[in-house]
Amino acid sequence: QQQVKQSPQSLIVQKGGISIINCAYENTAFDYFPWYQQFPGKGPALLIAIRPDVSEKKEGRFTISFNKSAKQFSLHIMDSQPGDSATYFCAASIKGGYQKVTFGIGTKLQVIP
Amino acid sequence: SAVISQKPSRDICQRGTSLTIQCQVDSQVTMMFWYRQQPGQSLTLIATANQGSEATYESGFVIDKFPISRPNLTFSTLTVSNMSPEDSSIYLCSVEDPGVGYTFGSGTRLTVV
Repeated sequence: QQQVKQSPQSLIVQKGGISIINCAYENTAFDYFPWYQQFPGKGPALLIAIRPDVSEKKEGRFTISFNKSAKQFSLHIMDSQPGDSATYFCAASIKGGYQKVTFGIGTKLQVIP
Repeated sequence: SAVISQKPSRDICQRGTSLTIQCQVDSQVTMMFWYRQQPGQSLTLIATANQGSEATYESGFVIDKFPISRPNLTFSTLTVSNMSPEDSSIYLCSVEDPGVGYTFGSGTRLTVV
């Protein structure tokens, strides 16, 4: 059962454009939604995260938009750069104590010059 | 944030043999997590290792195939036993980093021939 659905699975964006990756979740108990960035040969690295009590969080060129009623959240990468080319995973978990993290399937982003 | 050293970084193994992967953290952590990432796929939690007790395995993973040790608060090993080509994957260890989220090692890329 895929509890976090992520789309698209691959994305090609021109340099300077906006990259948008979407995720939807099913479990309403989730209260922590991180995004991870993974470069080839490396482990995933936390990029940005949001809690459901806010609708948007921005860090530099990266923004998470969160729609609690629709159970959806998305990552926007503004002014996309070739160095942003990586695989991006959305995830969800229940914060507090140990709770396993459920990952989306991943989006392979390629930013072309 | 925590720094995780994982080794080996890659290995090519004969079917029927076993490989032990080591994960060392630079700080004491209660829980350590082992994930599998099959080629082009998302991350799947194998088990959670808590120091002083037996690991907790996720559905589809068993101790005989993936024995885990957790001798202290900074170290864990995952063994992939009696390997077959289907075990070819990237194996990642992870810890929960308070205030940061989950931090991952750089992974072990295993190829079984």
